Amino acid sequence: GAGVSQSPSNKVTEKGKDVELRCDPISGHTALYWYRQRLGQGLEFLIYFQGNSAPDKSGLPSDRFSAERTGESVSTLTIQRTQQEDSAVYLCASSPGTRVDRQFFGPGTRLTVL
Amino acid sequence: GEDVEQSLFLSVREGDSSVINCTYTDSSSTYLYWYKQEPGAGLQLLTYIFSNMDMKQDQRLTVLLNKKDKHLSLRIADTQTGDSAIYFCAPRGGGYQKVTFGTGTKLQVIP
Repeated sequence: GAGVSQSPSNKVTEKGKDVELRCDPISGHTALYWYRQRLGQGLEFLIYFQGNSAPDKSGLPSDRFSAERTGESVSTLTIQRTQQEDSAVYLCASSPGTRVDRQFFGPGTRLTVL
Repeated sequence: GEDVEQSLFLSVREGDSSVINCTYTDSSSTYLYWYKQEPGAGLQLLTYIFSNMDMKQDQRLTVLLNKKDKHLSLRIADTQTGDSAIYFCAPRGGGYQKVTFGTGTKLQVIP
């Protein structure tokens, strides 16, 4: 597709359940980011993939959060044993990994944990 | 890692100039971006400046960079109600280091 896509667009889950969020980056983009944005707040960095380098996981808030990326394509963010404080919009962005490394953002997945 | 700080809120009257400030800590930052997030919409790149520049002008937008003080600002001339949004400062470290976003400044334009 032409842009970054994310699925699902909305996810409602019960506390304690696991969820998987998917990101399809723009084809050819080597870099991929996951962010979390709580209501009315700024972007919180979660994880960064760049090509074949080891991912930067420094932003993951707990060991309940993990992410994988297959080569330079799809990425999945997994949240295990969800908590109410995990409720947020999860944004994915990809970028070409060039000098002017502008990020293209997906529409986000709105996660609500009841 | 990089720390990026912005004030959380700015209110201006329509037609006035807005100045959104940002400070960062990584002196090796090469590109410094400004992103805009309109209500209910995604983030869009607004403009950027390369670290060897002091100023960049793009229509109503002026970006000023003080590399010595690690201070970046975005000036919007003749601010319009359509400029109401959250503005994020986002410097990128050298090489292929990740982009770090500030907390965002919510700009409110009063008609």
